[in-house]
Amino acid sequence: AQSVTQLDSQVPVFEEAPVELRCNYSSSVSVYLFWYVQYPNQGLQLLLKYLSGSTLVESINGFEAEFNKSQTSFHLRKPSVHISDTAEYFCAVRVLNTGNQFYFGTGTSLTVIP
Amino acid sequence: DVKVTQSSRYLVKRTGEKVFLECVQDMDHENMFWYRQDPGLGLRLIYFSYDVKMKEKGDIPEGYSVSREKKERFSLILESASTNQTSMYLCASSLRGMGLTDTQYFGPGTRLTVL
Repeated sequence: AQSVTQLDSQVPVFEEAPVELRCNYSSSVSVYLFWYVQYPNQGLQLLLKYLSGSTLVESINGFEAEFNKSQTSFHLRKPSVHISDTAEYFCAVRVLNTGNQFYFGTGTSLTVIP
Repeated sequence: DVKVTQSSRYLVKRTGEKVFLECVQDMDHENMFWYRQDPGLGLRLIYFSYDVKMKEKGDIPEGYSVSREKKERFSLILESASTNQTSMYLCASSLRGMGLTDTQYFGPGTRLTVL
């Protein structure tokens, strides 16, 4: 079975500092990779995704993630965080050819400190 | 924009009650999903449906059932609610198939408390 590991359950970081949220998955076959964000008291929203092509993908609010096939990782990074980035971040994987199921990590709570 | 709505934001029920959680999407998506979200456990898939009247068990189906009589509506049913079913329940939908459409769209969630 597929597993998605987010090693850091909580990440506190000062405003304007860089941040990296780690995500590793277990599948050795082709995958689609996603990062979702959940702001307080809201549902999950898609932040960015990797389907194919360039291994570096970016979101409109400055986040980026890089697909590393050899390390089976899809870490999320931002060079300078804002207070408004405080949220829960979930990594998700869809293994191709196994139907419509997504596998989610346990989430990383990012807290940006003024 | 895709809109996924859930019938209640907050719900309080008693042990043993039958509970219905409703989810409606307005974008003609084939796939619909029910997850529960618990601290430290992330999202766990309860059931999903890839077409009307079709359903598949997810990772934790015990104690739950689902109904998909119409394409836009996917209901989660707790036949006899128990305290360990206190959780946040998230509904999601997606278009069938690969590619750029392969994104799940989530509702705002229903926080269920079973006393």
